[in-house]
Amino acid sequence: GGIITQTPKFLIGQEGQKLTLKCQQNFNHDTMYWYRQDSGKGLRLIYYSITENDLQKGDLSEGYDASREKKSSFSLTVTSAQKNEMAVFLCASSIGTGGSYEQYFGPGTRLTVL
Amino acid sequence: GDKVKQSPSALSLQEGTNSALRCNFSIAATTVQWFLQNPRGSLINLFYLVPGTKENGRLKSAFDSKESYSTLHIRDAQLEDSGTYFCAAEGNYAQGLTFGLGTRVSVFP
Repeated sequence: GGIITQTPKFLIGQEGQKLTLKCQQNFNHDTMYWYRQDSGKGLRLIYYSITENDLQKGDLSEGYDASREKKSSFSLTVTSAQKNEMAVFLCASSIGTGGSYEQYFGPGTRLTVL
Repeated sequence: GDKVKQSPSALSLQEGTNSALRCNFSIAATTVQWFLQNPRGSLINLFYLVPGTKENGRLKSAFDSKESYSTLHIRDAQLEDSGTYFCAAEGNYAQGLTFGLGTRVSVFP
């Protein structure tokens, strides 16, 4: 088994601020993902990465940067936080590349922008 | 939510009864995952499906890629089955999951 850790658990920011969220996995999975969930909605893909230093845009990449520093970690940066924004950011990982594999999710980071 | 449509959007079940949730896909899905999101927000993996069926305890799921739909059956509903159920689909390559909007299930005594 393995685990996905997301830090911080709660993030409060100011309008215009640059904010960074971190994700670590010890599954030794190749592919990692960042999703955003708005209240009462499904998840939407922001970025994913199939290997270290790789980056692929999802449907919601505008306003975000991401970095896959090493196989086990994937960070997401909100480049300029929007006032009154509230969302949960969920990190996931899956074992392989070049195909579809089961994804496992972390517990999420809850963002509130004042 | 348009590419993956879940129905119903909400469901109220008496303990001990059975029910079915459905997802229809307008994308070329090759695999489907079903999750339960608990009140704390954690996503619990229920099923990972290629075309076919799987069963786990009181839950059973099916995925028909030709007809582009998947179902999740809950048998003998229990209070701990309450939460929001999401289906999500992926195509041939690891490009991320496309999620439905979820079905909120409430089980009452």
